[in-house]
Amino acid sequence: NAGVTQTPKFQVLKTGQSMTLQCAQDMNHEYMSWYRQDPGMGLRLIHYSVGAGITDQGEVPNGYNVSRSTTEDFPLRLLSAAPSQTSVYFCASSYLGGHNQPQHFGDGTRLSIL
Amino acid sequence: GQQVMQIPQYQHVQEGEDFTTYCNSSTTLSNIQWYKQRPGGHPVFLIQLVKSGEVKKQKRLTFQFGEAKKNSSLHITATQTTDVGTYFCAGQGGKLIFGQGTELSVKP
Repeated sequence: NAGVTQTPKFQVLKTGQSMTLQCAQDMNHEYMSWYRQDPGMGLRLIHYSVGAGITDQGEVPNGYNVSRSTTEDFPLRLLSAAPSQTSVYFCASSYLGGHNQPQHFGDGTRLSIL
Repeated sequence: GQQVMQIPQYQHVQEGEDFTTYCNSSTTLSNIQWYKQRPGGHPVFLIQLVKSGEVKKQKRLTFQFGEAKKNSSLHITATQTTDVGTYFCAGQGGKLIFGQGTELSVKP
């Protein structure tokens, strides 16, 4: 099993460009989420999904869009990149349960906006 | 909104010393999870606490969940260089909110 796969691993964009960060999992997990990690800020939740066709906002959703057309994929879109979106982005997935389940993280995408 | 606060932000210890990081929530948590992130890596799940007052141990690591389910702690006894990394707590149902993390460095 590959687990959670994120692509690309590194990306440099210019301000105003658009981009989609890909996330795929092969564990049949219902729950998927995107976090950004910045120094001193920990992991901040951007968007999450509890199943195909269902998405919701996290702590810092502005500037990002998501969709969940299949159980396996949860892409994150930056419509018009800004320098403030320079960060490391992690995708995570888990089963749904009565309590939060252990999250499986991808290796991250390191994104720089010039 | 809900916040999960974690202190300290950094901790430098000599190998063999103990280490503790604390996690506090502004709201009652249904459960709390702890993760470890090695430098350059991704967070890896360590443990989950569900019950009020729960204590769990993993070798030199001891995890506690407060009686009011609003705080938690991770204690490492006799740190080793392999303990280096950032430790995160995360809590709340529905969506998982992380604390800011405690970065642990261990001097040999």
